Amino acid sequence: QVTLKESGPVLVKPTETLTLTCTVSGFSLSNAGMGVSWIRQPPGKALEWLAHIFSNAEKSYSTSLKSRLTIFKDTSKSQVVLTMTNMDPVDTATYYCARRKDGYNCPDYWGQGTLVTVSS
Amino acid sequence: DIQMTQSPSTLSASVGDRVTITCRASQSVSSWLAWYQQKPGRAPKLLIYRASSLESGVPSRFSGSGSGTEFTLTISCLQPDDFATYYCQQYISYSRTFGQGTKVEIK
Repeated sequence: QVTLKESGPVLVKPTETLTLTCTVSGFSLSNAGMGVSWIRQPPGKALEWLAHIFSNAEKSYSTSLKSRLTIFKDTSKSQVVLTMTNMDPVDTATYYCARRKDGYNCPDYWGQGTLVTVSS
Repeated sequence: DIQMTQSPSTLSASVGDRVTITCRASQSVSSWLAWYQQKPGRAPKLLIYRASSLESGVPSRFSGSGSGTEFTLTISCLQPDDFATYYCQQYISYSRTFGQGTKVEIK
């Protein structure tokens, strides 16, 4: 059974760095074809794709947020981590991690999401 | 980045209606397009991938078509469970992008 679960702070202050962890089960991050994306959704707004890491550790980032994002994985812990620097209230959103559908660069399984609020 | 534009933004329909949602890309994405359904407070659910392939377990009343820059998601006979927001996503480029969403409401 494939599952993904996001964890991290509920509240961060402006200018701080956000660190989110996605813990996966039911598949291995090292299996060829596997990968994990981070996607966010501000309250009442649309989905926004942030970053992706492939099984070979190749990474891709949103063009508009690339300077603030870092994605990496710890295969031994079955975890994918996303950091976002210089947080701002407009970054308040539900953050999801999602697994790459094998053979396709779109997510099939999603975590439940974690709401992060940016406020002083 | 490739911009994805969905229309309409909101759609009012009745149970049993045939519903069509359009997604247009600012440049060709070939067939590298997916559709998702999202209900309030829930994570999105993959419905269609590669423009027209139905994800396992998704009812056959959902179908996708198109290639290049214009795509459609059709629900052939709207069911009560289908009232939700639908998103398209292109994944041809490394910087993947979603449409702004189409909310399907009860008429």
